[in-house]
Amino acid sequence: AQTVTQSQPEMSVQEAETVTLSCTYDTSESNYYLFWYKQPPSRQMILVIRQEAYKQQNATENRFSVNFQKAAKSFSLKISDSQLGDTAMYFCAFMKHDGGGADGLTFGKGTHLIIQP
Amino acid sequence: NAGVMQNPRHLVRRRGQEARLRCSPMKGHSHVYWYRQLPEEGLKFMVYLQKENIIDESGMPKERFSAEFPKEGPSILRIQQVVRGDSAAYFCASSRPPLENQETQYFGPGTRLLVL
Repeated sequence: AQTVTQSQPEMSVQEAETVTLSCTYDTSESNYYLFWYKQPPSRQMILVIRQEAYKQQNATENRFSVNFQKAAKSFSLKISDSQLGDTAMYFCAFMKHDGGGADGLTFGKGTHLIIQP
Repeated sequence: NAGVMQNPRHLVRRRGQEARLRCSPMKGHSHVYWYRQLPEEGLKFMVYLQKENIIDESGMPKERFSAEFPKEGPSILRIQQVVRGDSAAYFCASSRPPLENQETQYFGPGTRLLVL
């Protein structure tokens, strides 16, 4: 079974600052995907970024980027030039992929990120 | 280009009643997943379905819970004889078939179930 750990229950930064959210995972799988989802006060789950484990290059999406360290099983999310609208719960998620099909996501407990004006 | 649709958005039931939660996947998606989120917690996987087929129900409680995804119509998560502990947000997600390497799951807005 997989586990996902987010060690920061809550973080707070000033608008325009850069913030990094940490995530570590434990698995014996060799082929998998990692995701960051955002859950704002509306409670909608929104995909932020996705990383395939077989890719060495870190994924980026505009102000969002990841630092994927496969050997260390670490998958941190960096948010640059943070904005008030980035205030949300952020969940790290793992999904194994064995070539024959997908799987349910395993989520961490989340980090509550607060962007201060 | 509608996203994943869930209804109702809010559902109130008394203990012992039945709750039916519906999910329509995104256009072109044939795989549906159900998750439960208890207050102040992350989402927990419940069940994974294709049309007319349950692929993985390892996260589903053995009693009172069932799920289906018929050939026509939405996926249904059914909770019989609800108890207060069933109060939670229930999220549905959908994806394309995994072999297309498009396994990213997109979530609906969730159904908030409150059991009185």
